Amino acid sequence: DAKTTQPTSMDCAEGRAANLPCNHSTISGNEYVYWYRQIHSQGPQYIIHGLKNNETNEMASLIITEDRKSSTLILPHATLRDTAVYYCIVRNSGAGSYQLTFGKGTKLSVIP
Amino acid sequence: DGGITQSPKYLFRKEGQNVTLSCEQNLNHDAMYWYRQDPGQGLRLIYYSQIVNDFQKGDIAEGYSVSREKKESFPLTVTSAQKNPTAFYLCASKPEGGGTQPQHFGDGTRLSIL
Repeated sequence: DAKTTQPTSMDCAEGRAANLPCNHSTISGNEYVYWYRQIHSQGPQYIIHGLKNNETNEMASLIITEDRKSSTLILPHATLRDTAVYYCIVRNSGAGSYQLTFGKGTKLSVIP
Repeated sequence: DGGITQSPKYLFRKEGQNVTLSCEQNLNHDAMYWYRQDPGQGLRLIYYSQIVNDFQKGDIAEGYSVSREKKESFPLTVTSAQKNPTAFYLCASKPEGGGTQPQHFGDGTRLSIL
């Protein structure tokens, strides 16, 4: 699976949009981009995933560049409960792809 | 509600003792996974199972054992051979081993050595 690069930490004002970037310049054609977050002492929570089209669900939006080498997770109106470590993961959809490779992620702090 | 239940939330192990961590899911998922997380680190795969009665070693299987006798259950035993067992253990599941569906996680078990 391709490697991802994320900033170590970010701050966001409460009520504003949080834009979390992820670089995955070595992504291959059958690899999807997944986003998870982990609040302290809890299990990771799935947020969203996509291949090449932009995706939106009730939690967030995922914007993937046309060349697929980077993506941005957008939390449209950040709240204090969105403070967490956010992980960007690239994984292919093949039958042999059995695990998720979590890096160190981005620690997002939502500030009142 | 459907989900993944890990128990206990906290567990203490004495030197030389085996302990078993429970993971139960009622999502009817075929695939289940065990990960270990150390402070400030990402997750590392211990074992995974894509179907009942079958399981495979992950990247750090030494000192651990699993069984998958029922679809809904995937217990992890931390044996005395695991010399550094203190960590946060996470169980996950997904509908099938391959495909694009995401893994969903339980809330973890924190294991410490007495």
